[in-house]
Amino acid sequence: NAGVTQTPKFQVLKTGQSMTLQCAQDMNHEYMSWYRQDPGMGLRLIHYSVGAGITDQGEVPNGYNVSRSTTEDFPLRLLSAAPSQTSVYFCASSLQNSPLHFGNGTRLTVT
Amino acid sequence: AQSVSQHNHHVILSEAASLELGCNYSYGGTVNLFWYVQYPGQHLQLLLKYFSGDPLVKGIKGFEAEFIKSKFSFNLRKPSVQWSDTAEYFCAVNELGTYKYIFGTGTRLKVLA
Repeated sequence: NAGVTQTPKFQVLKTGQSMTLQCAQDMNHEYMSWYRQDPGMGLRLIHYSVGAGITDQGEVPNGYNVSRSTTEDFPLRLLSAAPSQTSVYFCASSLQNSPLHFGNGTRLTVT
Repeated sequence: AQSVSQHNHHVILSEAASLELGCNYSYGGTVNLFWYVQYPGQHLQLLLKYFSGDPLVKGIKGFEAEFIKSKFSFNLRKPSVQWSDTAEYFCAVNELGTYKYIFGTGTRLKVLA
């Protein structure tokens, strides 16, 4: 039982490049979400999903896309990276009315 | 709009000192409450949770929190901190029956040996 697995751990992009952050969970959680963590701002919700085929925007969705084709996977896509997207990204999953389980995070730098 | 406030952004304590971190939320309905801890360079881990029942909940590593409904508060306490408690602590609220979680901005705790 691996929990929530995120890859990669670190990534450096140039402005305008695209990339996908991967997230997978093996706990059969219906809810999955992406947060970004920036100093002094806590965790801000980017996108979330309550099941396969269902996604919705969170607090800061601009510049990011998601899809949920399976219960296990919830990738986050940056279509054209900007320096403002330099952050630490966390994927989290849960059942309803249960604590969130977090992945180990991806530290992204956009130059 | 719903929100979670953590009033202390940075706290510095000596080992063996007592700790209390404040958390207040604004939401009129029923909520589940959580405290998470993030050690340097790591992901968030659950410290304790409150769903219902006894408003004083005990978590891992000697932490406890008290839910005071009338004050919309869920303060975290530890009687005697250790150097290894140095971390960032996040309070979070989940609306009952939903997947909506709202986090506070976090409190950085530094414990001096």
